[in-house]
Amino acid sequence: EVQLQQSGAELVRPGTSVKLSCKVSGDTITAYYMHFVKQRPGQGLEWIGRIDPEDDSTKYAEKFKNKATLTADTSSNTAYLKLSSLTSEDTATYFCTTDSGYWYFDFWGPGTMVTVSS
Amino acid sequence: DIRMTQSPASLSASLGETVNIECLASEDIYSDLAWYQQKPGKSPQLLIYNANSLQNGVPSRFSGSGSGTQYSLKINSLQSEDVATYFCQQYNNYPPTFGSGTKLEIK
Repeated sequence: EVQLQQSGAELVRPGTSVKLSCKVSGDTITAYYMHFVKQRPGQGLEWIGRIDPEDDSTKYAEKFKNKATLTADTSSNTAYLKLSSLTSEDTATYFCTTDSGYWYFDFWGPGTMVTVSS
Repeated sequence: DIRMTQSPASLSASLGETVNIECLASEDIYSDLAWYQQKPGKSPQLLIYNANSLQNGVPSRFSGSGSGTQYSLKINSLQSEDVATYFCQQYNNYPPTFGSGTKLEIK
């Protein structure tokens, strides 16, 4: 069975960047599109973007185009989300999730909590 | 972007009861709708896709229905392990968008 392992919680300073990882096990990462979803404390789910590890093509939600950068490393079966120019609005849990080509999300990682605070 | 309006925002029901959660899309999404369950402190898990297809391993007491702009998730014989927040998501139009969630508690 496919499992997604995400990197640990981060406490970061405003104005800095952070890079989160999501490692796929149980299958090759190129079998999926990899997405990241944001969830602020007590709030709903917000789609950030998607990467195709096969060719590194990406799609982003409009509001995250200057905030998020998705990359993937097929040799380590890992996808990455980099968040830049962090503010308190970026304090959230970030989930990685897979899509087999239909744009609904079948496997989810446990999430990485990012806290932006000085 | 397509807006997904879920109702109710919260729901309290007794064990063994049947509950319904609604999701209204701002335009026709042609049954490109998924439902997720998120238990406290956990990641969301896919329950239903294509409006009425049950994901592998999901108990049959969960079912989905609807078409056009109106969809619903039905939970029969409510169990204690069903305490969670439920989200709908449309994937007919880019970008994919989620409903605001329905928090289900046991009375």
